[in-house]
Amino acid sequence: DIVMTQSPDSLAVSLGERATINCKSSQSILYNSNNKDWLAWYQQKPRQPPRLLIYWASTRESGVPDRFSGSGSGTDFTLTIRSLQAEDVAVYYCQQHYTTPWTFGQGTKVEI
Amino acid sequence: QVQLQESGPGLVKPSETLSLTCTVSGASIRSYYWSWLRQPPGRGLEWIGYIFYGGTTNYNPSLKSRFTILADTSKNQISLDLTSVTAADTAVYFCVRQAPRGNHFDYWGQGTLVTVSS
Repeated sequence: DIVMTQSPDSLAVSLGERATINCKSSQSILYNSNNKDWLAWYQQKPRQPPRLLIYWASTRESGVPDRFSGSGSGTDFTLTIRSLQAEDVAVYYCQQHYTTPWTFGQGTKVEI
Repeated sequence: QVQLQESGPGLVKPSETLSLTCTVSGASIRSYYWSWLRQPPGRGLEWIGYIFYGGTTNYNPSLKSRFTILADTSKNQISLDLTSVTAADTAVYFCVRQAPRGNHFDYWGQGTLVTVSS
């Protein structure tokens, strides 16, 4: 199985400041045939299901604010929230969608 | 608008079989891959398995062989059966659609909490 490791486990950021979450995969999740990294990011607020934010490492899902961005390739990835808003308080998960079993990072809790 | 709604018993006794149903609206189950995931209270996400309506299934090998996922195209529903439940199976269970290109999870049900207790 591909192991996904996020850092940090929790993060406190002031309103309007930048939040950065890292995710590392135990092997490359770059699919050579389409030159895309099969890495997704999700946001989960309390008592809600996760919400897809980013897929293929950097493609923003429709309706997701542009303050959310994804970067990285191979085994190292980053989710950046450019200017943190109060509604961004949540747990964020990375997930590899490269090969089964699909696996997730342990989550990063973002607080104000 | 694609919507997924899980349903099932909130409480199951140890050693019994858990059965959950996911009713899909706004999309035909024939056209996509559908997964079940679970999340124990206060913990992270775990993928259980997926189905494509023709009968293609794929399960997480770390969960052994207690899970069965089925599709009922006449009702546009996906189901999950879990045999011999234990307290470790207590979790919120999510029904999820896999995106047609990429396999990431683009639509989620609200989830249903299942507690295993005598």
